Amino acid sequence: RKEVEQDPGPFNVPEGATVAFNCTYSNSASQSFFWYRQDCRKEPKLLMSVYSSGNEDGRFTAQLNRASQYISLLIRDSKLSDSATYLCVVRESGGSNYKLTFGKGTLLTVNP
Amino acid sequence: NAGVTQTPKFRILKIGQSMTLQCTQDMNHNYMYWYRQDPGMGLKLIYYSVGAGITDKGEVPNGYNVSRSTTEDFPLRLELAAPSQTSVYFCASSYDAGGEAFFGQGTRLTVV
Repeated sequence: RKEVEQDPGPFNVPEGATVAFNCTYSNSASQSFFWYRQDCRKEPKLLMSVYSSGNEDGRFTAQLNRASQYISLLIRDSKLSDSATYLCVVRESGGSNYKLTFGKGTLLTVNP
Repeated sequence: NAGVTQTPKFRILKIGQSMTLQCTQDMNHNYMYWYRQDPGMGLKLIYYSVGAGITDKGEVPNGYNVSRSTTEDFPLRLELAAPSQTSVYFCASSYDAGGEAFFGQGTRLTVV
């Protein structure tokens, strides 16, 4: 089983749509969770951390379900500028706590 | 506000050649990382460092070497380049193991 698995995508949605991305992780000892955004031919950048209680940043909402080892990202009122690849990222705990494990990413295209 | 700077941005190598990818950060971060990203794949950790003088292998270290003589610099050395090393290489840094990782703009390497 892959360590971090994401919806394969791609997602094509119209402006204003709501879109949700899902991610599962295999290591139950994982400690920290993030969503990164990567524009085409650019470096990844942190979009938001994911907290156990869930968290929201404007149009973006992240949820964590530790029991199911599941992370989600919801984007409301999609904008053209949201078009990018969204990377689910998990940090393990203990001896490997340096390690950030990246999912393959889900490509989102928002159409006018 | 430089952040993480990588050079070169692009490079074509012939099989068997060697080169060093440079990475420097001005944020006084302890942790530095080298990742490679192949098309359609997640980022894979090559090497990482938790401070000057300390380095360790990641998931895919074969064919690479690193050094960390200063806090700022973390060069990646490719010896005897092979076509399998064609990839985009990202250097990243973070203040600690759990914090946000800041990425350089990447080096696109082609081995022919």
